[in-house]
Amino acid sequence: EAAVTQSPRNKVAVTGGKVTLSCNQTNNHNNMYWYRQDTGHGLRLIHYSYGAGSTEKGDIPDGYKASRPSQENFSLILELATPSQTSVYFCASGDADSSYEQYFGPGTRLTVL
Amino acid sequence: QQKVQQSPESLTVSEGAMASLNCTFSDGTSNNFRWYRQHSAKGLEVLVSIFSDGEKEEGRFTAHLNRANLHVSLHIREPQPSDSAVYLCAVSMWGYAQGLTFGLGTRVSVFP
Repeated sequence: EAAVTQSPRNKVAVTGGKVTLSCNQTNNHNNMYWYRQDTGHGLRLIHYSYGAGSTEKGDIPDGYKASRPSQENFSLILELATPSQTSVYFCASGDADSSYEQYFGPGTRLTVL
Repeated sequence: QQKVQQSPESLTVSEGAMASLNCTFSDGTSNNFRWYRQHSAKGLEVLVSIFSDGEKEEGRFTAHLNRANLHVSLHIREPQPSDSAVYLCAVSMWGYAQGLTFGLGTRVSVFP
């Protein structure tokens, strides 16, 4: 079964600090995604990747960077965290072999004070 | 830009009754539709995926797609208290890896 893990599961950060959220998948999927989920907005796509070394902007990329150093790992980086980035972040993986199904991780709850 | 709207916002049903959820989308060229379930801000669990007009059943969950009407629905047969969750509709284009567009969800509560 598809396996996507995220770390940390909970994070409290200070405004202006750097935050890195990590995602690992053991499905050997080419594509990986970062979403954030907020009340009233639902899930929104931040960045995605087609494979190692690739990162693409999603619908709301401002204030976020992404890194895909390998097939298995995809990170979301907040260089200067702001309170508006307080949210629950979900990572997902998928590709054509899975009928473009996206398998989601358990989420990371980030609070920026 | 794709817009996905779900109705109702919340739904209360008795155990064993049919639950029906609706989802409308704005881009008529969309051809990749999925229903997810989310328990209490946890991860998303895919329930049904449907790619062509008609019906697709997965256990107690049935999706109906009518692309001409820009509408996809989910029906839950014999819902159980453990089905109480938020149900999310997600839409994309087949073959495009740019991610899914989600609706805001329908909160379903099932009472014994």
